[in-house]
Amino acid sequence: QKEVEQDPGPLSVPEGAIVSLNCTYSNSAFQYFMWYRQYSRKGPELLMYTYSSGNKEDGRFTAQVDKSSKYISLFIRDSQPSDSATYLCAMSAPRAAGNKLTFGGGTRVLVKP
Amino acid sequence: GAVVSQHPSRVICKSGTSVKIECRSLDFQATTMFWYRQFPKQSLMLMATSNEGSKATYEQGVEKDKFLINHASLTLSTLTVTSAHPEDSSFYICSATSGLAGGSGANVLTFGAGSRLTVL
Repeated sequence: QKEVEQDPGPLSVPEGAIVSLNCTYSNSAFQYFMWYRQYSRKGPELLMYTYSSGNKEDGRFTAQVDKSSKYISLFIRDSQPSDSATYLCAMSAPRAAGNKLTFGGGTRVLVKP
Repeated sequence: GAVVSQHPSRVICKSGTSVKIECRSLDFQATTMFWYRQFPKQSLMLMATSNEGSKATYEQGVEKDKFLINHASLTLSTLTVTSAHPEDSSFYICSATSGLAGGSGANVLTFGAGSRLTVL
């Protein structure tokens, strides 16, 4: 079993819909949670960063962390075709060995006009 | 914001030759840089962690002599694929961190744009 599980998709939604993404994890030591967006043939870019449990909102993006369930989510409101990309969750433990992040496998999202 | 530049973005080489990929942090000092490999429609696979001035730490299964990593300064790390073969064809991505994010102990990475290597 992988440390971080993420549905690969593809997740296809019409423009304007809410995109709902999630990851589950098994390592209870994870405290830091990130969402990255990766366009085809490009490097990932950081979208959201949260620490421990709770919600964080930034524009159309909302990140949620539920440490009791070992479950994190990313919501994209009013989705646009430009949101079509692969979304990767990532997480790490405090003072993780080598400062490594553990990534999910990524979910491919298609927003259709 | 933090910017990481990776060069070249695309390289095609003949089998048996060596290829060097550069990763530079443009506006911050990167204490640690990471090299990843990514196959089509798959997630990032960490190859190695490099710290400035010291030897890289390779992940299990990654050949140290095949993938040479040098982190000679706080702004530059290089990955050299030695004696490349077609099976080395992949998308290689570097990332860098200055260390702590707001003193929280997190490791927020900034990624380069990636380098697509094709070995004929």
